Amino acid sequence: KAGVTQTPRYLIKTRGQQVTLSCSPISGHRSVSWYQQTPGQGLQFLFEYFSETQRNKGNFPGRFSGRQFSNSRSEMNVSTLELGDSALYLCASSSQGGWQETQYFGPGTRLLVL
Amino acid sequence: GNSVTQMEGPVTLSEEAFLTINCTYTATGYPSLFWYVQYPGEGLQLLLKATKADDKGSNKGFEATYRKETTSFHLEKGSVQVSDSAVYFCALSADGGTSYGKLTFGQGTILTVHP
Repeated sequence: KAGVTQTPRYLIKTRGQQVTLSCSPISGHRSVSWYQQTPGQGLQFLFEYFSETQRNKGNFPGRFSGRQFSNSRSEMNVSTLELGDSALYLCASSSQGGWQETQYFGPGTRLLVL
Repeated sequence: GNSVTQMEGPVTLSEEAFLTINCTYTATGYPSLFWYVQYPGEGLQLLLKATKADDKGSNKGFEATYRKETTSFHLEKGSVQVSDSAVYFCALSADGGTSYGKLTFGQGTILTVHP
Protein backbone atom coordinates (compact mmCIF):
# COMPACT_ATOMS: atom_id res chain seq x y z
CA LYS A 1 0.00 0.00 0.00
CA ALA A 2 1.13 3.50 -0.68
CA GLY A 3 1.86 5.57 2.40
CA VAL A 4 0.48 8.92 3.43
CA THR A 5 1.35 11.60 0.91
CA GLN A 6 1.47 15.34 1.44
CA THR A 7 1.74 18.14 -1.06
CA PRO A 8 3.53 20.39 -1.49
CA ARG A 9 6.65 19.39 0.42
CA TYR A 10 7.93 22.95 0.76
CA LEU A 11 6.25 26.33 0.71
CA ILE A 12 7.41 29.89 1.14
CA LYS A 13 4.78 32.53 1.85
CA THR A 14 4.73 36.08 3.18
CA ARG A 15 2.86 37.41 6.18
CA GLY A 16 -0.82 38.01 5.56
CA GLN A 17 -1.13 35.43 2.80
CA GLN A 18 -3.07 32.23 3.08
CA VAL A 19 -1.95 28.69 2.34
CA THR A 20 -3.59 25.32 1.63
CA LEU A 21 -1.88 22.03 2.35
CA SER A 22 -3.04 18.66 1.09
CA CYS A 23 -2.92 15.17 2.53
CA SER A 24 -3.84 11.83 0.95
CA PRO A 25 -4.27 9.06 3.54
CA ILE A 26 -3.43 5.40 3.18
CA SER A 27 -6.05 3.67 1.07
CA GLY A 28 -8.94 2.55 3.26
CA HIS A 29 -8.11 4.91 6.13
CA ARG A 30 -10.94 7.27 6.99
CA SER A 31 -9.39 9.27 9.82
CA VAL A 32 -6.93 12.07 9.08
CA SER A 33 -5.19 14.11 11.78
CA TRP A 34 -3.01 17.19 11.39
CA TYR A 35 -0.09 18.28 13.57
CA GLN A 36 2.19 21.29 13.71
CA GLN A 37 5.86 20.70 14.58
CA THR A 38 8.08 23.59 15.69
CA PRO A 39 11.37 23.66 17.60
CA GLY A 40 9.82 25.65 20.42
CA GLN A 41 6.43 23.98 20.89
CA GLY A 42 7.19 20.50 19.60
CA LEU A 43 4.41 18.45 18.06
CA GLN A 44 0.94 19.84 18.61
CA PHE A 45 -2.39 18.42 17.48
CA LEU A 46 -4.43 20.66 15.18
CA PHE A 47 -7.55 18.66 14.31
CA GLU A 48 -8.93 15.33 13.16
CA TYR A 49 -11.43 14.52 10.45
CA PHE A 50 -13.46 11.38 9.88
CA SER A 51 -16.07 10.89 7.17
CA GLU A 52 -15.88 14.57 6.24
CA THR A 53 -16.60 15.68 9.83
CA GLN A 54 -14.26 17.33 12.28
CA ARG A 55 -14.40 15.23 15.43
CA ASN A 56 -11.60 16.70 17.45
CA LYS A 57 -9.77 20.00 17.59
CA GLY A 58 -6.64 21.26 19.29
CA ASN A 59 -5.99 24.65 20.78
CA PHE A 60 -5.24 26.72 17.70
CA PRO A 61 -6.81 29.98 16.52
CA GLY A 62 -9.59 30.02 13.97
CA ARG A 63 -7.10 30.96 11.23
CA PHE A 64 -6.35 27.25 11.09
CA SER A 65 -9.08 25.25 9.41
CA GLY A 66 -9.46 22.04 7.55
CA ARG A 67 -11.79 19.85 5.60
CA GLN A 68 -12.06 16.32 4.37
CA PHE A 69 -13.46 15.06 1.11
CA SER A 70 -15.54 12.00 0.38
CA ASN A 71 -12.43 10.08 -0.74
CA SER A 72 -10.86 10.83 2.69
CA ARG A 73 -8.29 13.24 1.29
CA SER A 74 -7.89 16.23 3.55
CA GLU A 75 -6.77 19.80 3.27
CA MET A 76 -5.80 22.31 5.89
CA ASN A 77 -5.84 26.04 5.39
CA VAL A 78 -4.07 28.77 7.27
CA SER A 79 -5.29 32.29 6.63
CA THR A 80 -3.55 35.58 7.40
CA LEU A 81 -0.19 33.93 7.91
CA GLU A 82 2.05 35.03 10.75
CA LEU A 83 5.79 34.52 11.15
CA GLY A 84 5.07 32.06 13.96
CA ASP A 85 3.20 29.77 11.58
CA SER A 86 6.52 28.68 10.09
CA ALA A 87 6.62 24.98 10.89
CA LEU A 88 6.55 21.45 9.61
CA TYR A 89 2.92 20.39 9.15
CA LEU A 90 2.37 16.67 9.42
CA CYS A 91 -0.68 14.70 8.57
CA ALA A 92 -1.40 11.21 9.80
CA SER A 93 -4.01 8.64 8.93
CA SER A 94 -5.58 5.67 10.63
CA SER A 95 -8.47 3.39 9.95
CA GLN A 96 -11.02 4.82 12.40
CA GLY A 97 -9.12 7.28 14.58
CA GLY A 98 -9.50 5.07 17.62
CA TRP A 99 -7.28 5.51 20.64
CA GLN A 100 -5.55 2.15 20.26
CA GLU A 101 -4.83 2.51 16.57
CA THR A 102 -1.48 3.38 15.04
CA GLN A 103 -1.34 6.67 13.20
CA TYR A 104 0.75 6.64 10.02
CA PHE A 105 2.48 9.88 9.21
CA GLY A 106 3.30 11.56 5.94
CA PRO A 107 6.63 13.27 5.23
CA GLY A 108 5.23 16.69 6.07
CA THR A 109 4.97 20.08 4.41
CA ARG A 110 7.57 22.59 5.52
CA LEU A 111 6.10 26.09 5.55
CA LEU A 112 8.29 29.15 5.81
CA VAL A 113 6.56 32.50 6.39
CA LEU A 114 8.64 35.58 5.59
CA GLY B 1 -4.95 17.39 30.91
CA ASN B 2 -2.87 14.64 29.39
CA SER B 3 0.88 15.09 29.10
CA VAL B 4 4.07 13.21 28.27
CA THR B 5 7.50 13.97 29.69
CA GLN B 6 10.68 12.65 28.12
CA MET B 7 14.19 12.77 29.48
CA GLU B 8 16.19 15.79 28.48
CA GLY B 9 18.46 15.32 25.53
CA PRO B 10 20.47 15.17 23.47
CA VAL B 11 21.85 11.72 24.13
CA THR B 12 25.21 10.79 22.65
CA LEU B 13 26.40 7.17 22.70
CA SER B 14 29.07 5.02 21.16
CA GLU B 15 28.06 2.17 18.88
CA GLU B 16 27.00 -0.99 20.77
CA ALA B 17 26.20 0.97 23.94
CA PHE B 18 22.99 0.40 25.90
CA LEU B 19 20.23 2.93 25.36
CA THR B 20 17.51 4.09 27.73
CA ILE B 21 15.20 7.02 27.03
CA ASN B 22 12.83 7.72 29.90
CA CYS B 23 9.19 8.57 29.30
CA THR B 24 6.50 9.24 31.89
CA TYR B 25 2.92 10.28 31.30
CA THR B 26 -0.08 11.84 32.96
CA ALA B 27 -3.49 10.69 31.83
CA THR B 28 -6.74 9.47 33.24
CA GLY B 29 -7.90 5.99 32.42
CA TYR B 30 -5.85 3.63 30.31
CA PRO B 31 -4.14 5.41 27.43
CA SER B 32 -2.32 3.71 24.59
CA LEU B 33 1.41 4.48 24.49
CA PHE B 34 3.68 4.84 21.48
CA TRP B 35 7.26 5.48 20.51
CA TYR B 36 7.82 7.19 17.19
CA VAL B 37 11.14 7.93 15.47
CA GLN B 38 11.91 10.80 13.12
CA TYR B 39 14.90 10.75 10.79
CA PRO B 40 16.20 14.03 9.33
CA GLY B 41 13.86 15.50 6.76
CA GLU B 42 11.21 12.86 7.25
CA GLY B 43 7.91 12.35 8.99
CA LEU B 44 7.36 10.15 12.02
CA GLN B 45 7.55 6.36 11.89
CA LEU B 46 6.01 4.12 14.50
CA LEU B 47 8.71 2.26 16.40
CA LEU B 48 6.53 0.33 18.85
CA LYS B 49 3.38 0.60 20.91
CA ALA B 50 1.50 -0.86 23.85
CA THR B 51 -2.21 -0.58 24.47
CA LYS B 52 -2.64 -1.97 27.98
CA ALA B 53 -0.77 -2.20 31.24
CA ASP B 54 2.18 -4.63 31.37
CA ASP B 55 2.25 -4.98 27.58
CA LYS B 56 5.70 -4.92 26.06
CA GLY B 57 6.15 -3.38 22.65
CA SER B 58 9.20 -4.38 20.62
CA ASN B 59 10.65 -3.72 17.19
CA LYS B 60 14.14 -3.66 15.61
CA GLY B 61 15.78 -4.46 18.95
CA PHE B 62 13.94 -1.66 20.79
CA GLU B 63 11.63 -2.48 23.70
CA ALA B 64 9.31 -0.61 26.05
CA THR B 65 6.98 -1.87 28.77
CA TYR B 66 3.74 -0.12 29.74
CA ARG B 67 4.01 0.38 33.52
CA LYS B 68 0.74 1.64 34.94
CA GLU B 69 2.01 1.77 38.51
CA THR B 70 4.83 4.16 37.61
CA THR B 71 3.04 5.76 34.62
CA SER B 72 6.11 5.07 32.49
CA PHE B 73 7.02 3.71 29.07
CA HIS B 74 10.81 3.80 28.91
CA LEU B 75 12.52 2.94 25.63
CA GLU B 76 15.51 0.56 25.70
CA LYS B 77 17.90 -1.04 23.26
CA GLY B 78 20.72 -3.32 24.19
CA SER B 79 23.20 -2.33 21.46
CA VAL B 80 22.71 0.83 19.41
CA GLN B 81 23.99 1.37 15.89
CA VAL B 82 24.97 4.51 14.02
CA SER B 83 21.80 4.10 11.97
CA ASP B 84 19.72 4.57 15.15
CA SER B 85 20.68 8.24 15.22
CA ALA B 86 17.37 10.11 15.07
CA VAL B 87 14.83 11.95 17.20
CA TYR B 88 12.62 9.75 19.38
CA PHE B 89 9.15 10.77 20.54
CA CYS B 90 7.04 9.20 23.24
CA ALA B 91 3.30 9.73 22.75
CA LEU B 92 -0.03 8.78 24.23
CA SER B 93 -3.55 8.44 22.96
CA ALA B 94 -6.12 8.85 25.68
CA ASP B 95 -9.06 6.49 25.93
CA GLY B 96 -12.50 7.97 25.76
CA GLY B 97 -14.70 9.39 23.06
CA THR B 98 -13.17 12.85 22.92
CA SER B 99 -9.70 11.74 21.93
CA TYR B 100 -10.33 10.83 18.31
CA GLY B 101 -7.15 10.89 16.27
CA LYS B 102 -5.22 12.85 18.87
CA LEU B 103 -1.71 11.95 19.97
CA THR B 104 -0.07 13.89 22.78
CA PHE B 105 3.70 13.95 22.32
CA GLY B 106 6.69 14.40 24.55
CA GLN B 107 9.29 16.97 23.56
CA GLY B 108 11.50 14.48 21.73
CA THR B 109 14.98 13.16 22.48
CA ILE B 110 17.81 13.57 19.98
CA LEU B 111 20.00 10.47 19.85
CA THR B 112 23.41 10.55 18.22
CA VAL B 113 25.43 7.34 17.94
CA HIS B 114 29.13 7.56 17.09
CA PRO B 115 31.12 4.71 15.48
